[in-house]
Amino acid sequence: EVQLVESGGGLVQPGGSLRLSCAASGFTFSSYWMNWVRQAPGKGLEWVANIKPDGSEKYYVDSVKGRFTISRDNAKNSLNLQMNSLRAEDTAVYYCARDSWDRIGEEYYYYGMDVWGQGTTVTVSS
Amino acid sequence: SYELTQPLSVSVALGQTARITCGENNVGSKNVYWYQQKPGQAPVLVIYRDSNRPSGIPERFSGSNSGNTATLTISRAQAGDEADYYCQVWDSDSHVVFGGGTKLTVL
Repeated sequence: EVQLVESGGGLVQPGGSLRLSCAASGFTFSSYWMNWVRQAPGKGLEWVANIKPDGSEKYYVDSVKGRFTISRDNAKNSLNLQMNSLRAEDTAVYYCARDSWDRIGEEYYYYGMDVWGQGTTVTVSS
Repeated sequence: SYELTQPLSVSVALGQTARITCGENNVGSKNVYWYQQKPGQAPVLVIYRDSNRPSGIPERFSGSNSGNTATLTISRAQAGDEADYYCQVWDSDSHVVFGGGTKLTVL
């Protein structure tokens, strides 16, 4: 079964740090772009960051640049998000999600985020 | 930066057709993706590349995208379709953008 399971959420004070992890199983993790997407209480989805299969490219939403770092360990089938200098506005459920791509000839075709974890809750509060 | 505009809410009578829009200047030049999220659950992809359904998604779900508006259409709406729906595109520099979300109510 294809599965993503997040962990590492919790309560942290403003300015603190937290490291989220996402354990992947049931598919060849090293072949997929991966994402972190968050959802603040009562709000919509917000993309946070993504990372190329080999880890060589990483992209972030402006609001977390310089504070969050996405990484992956393909040997352990694990996606991570190191969150530093946390703010109240970072409070959210954090989901990891798999990107689905296909290569046809020299062209790449994106098919959306086809697998999501159940989420882990991060609360930033004093 | 790219922003996708969705109505906050859409209501539809049971068995009728619901249409949820996703607007942005020239969104028709991009591929649009739609996700369904029920309370307390993770999002589920229901439409990819404007109009394609992943396996397991009912044929009642369809999508279109042209000009400045992408549309998710849910035919013969059921109570189980009540959820929040989000559109999504890839912006420049491999950034992902979500719309603000639309709450669908089935009356």
